[in-house]
Amino acid sequence: DTAVSQTPKYLVTQMGNDKSIKCEQNLGHDTMYWYKQDSKKFLKIMFSYNNKELIINETVPNRFSPKSPDKAHLNLHINSLELGDSAVYFCASSYGTYSEKLFFGSGTQLSVL
Amino acid sequence: QKEVEQDPGPLSVPEGAIVSLNCTYSNSAFQYFMWYRQYSRKGPELLMYTYSSGNKEDGRFTAQVDKSSKYISLFIRDSQPSDSATYLCAIKGGSEKLVFGKGTKLTVNP
Repeated sequence: DTAVSQTPKYLVTQMGNDKSIKCEQNLGHDTMYWYKQDSKKFLKIMFSYNNKELIINETVPNRFSPKSPDKAHLNLHINSLELGDSAVYFCASSYGTYSEKLFFGSGTQLSVL
Repeated sequence: QKEVEQDPGPLSVPEGAIVSLNCTYSNSAFQYFMWYRQYSRKGPELLMYTYSSGNKEDGRFTAQVDKSSKYISLFIRDSQPSDSATYLCAIKGGSEKLVFGKGTKLTVNP
């Protein structure tokens, strides 16, 4: 059973489109995250939710909107996609906020054409 | 100055070599020091975790923290082709978010 699963694995779309990435974890963790990894492999946090409550909201454009329907799910919706949004997006989960032990999904490769 | 600096490599070594990976950091309040391993097309996975200064050993892997120099290291002994991956250091203070280094890509050649 996959611990942190995200879909889709690959997403190819045109500029200006709206897309969503879904994430689910079955580890019983109470905190979930979205990270962005650019082409140079730099991993940067975007959002963090603890029990459906937004905890961390880094300087991310308003076009990115996370939604957590319950503590096992965290989705990411992106409006009006831009070329610069092309990256790998990772979902992660942990026990507690600001944990140092994160469990990552396999990533969603987003390519904006 | 960036919070965490890590040489991106790439680093290529023959099988059996000792590998040394390093990071420096700027914030003396950092207390938690981690190494994550990321295989190609996979998410990072926690490899080693150290609190405060000192060494920690797990099989062929040793993590070292020198808080006086703000320098952390990961040593891999008897490196194997299966160790080929990107290694990311990650550091944090108490109630703060994790800060990742840019990762070092390691290739171990058979």
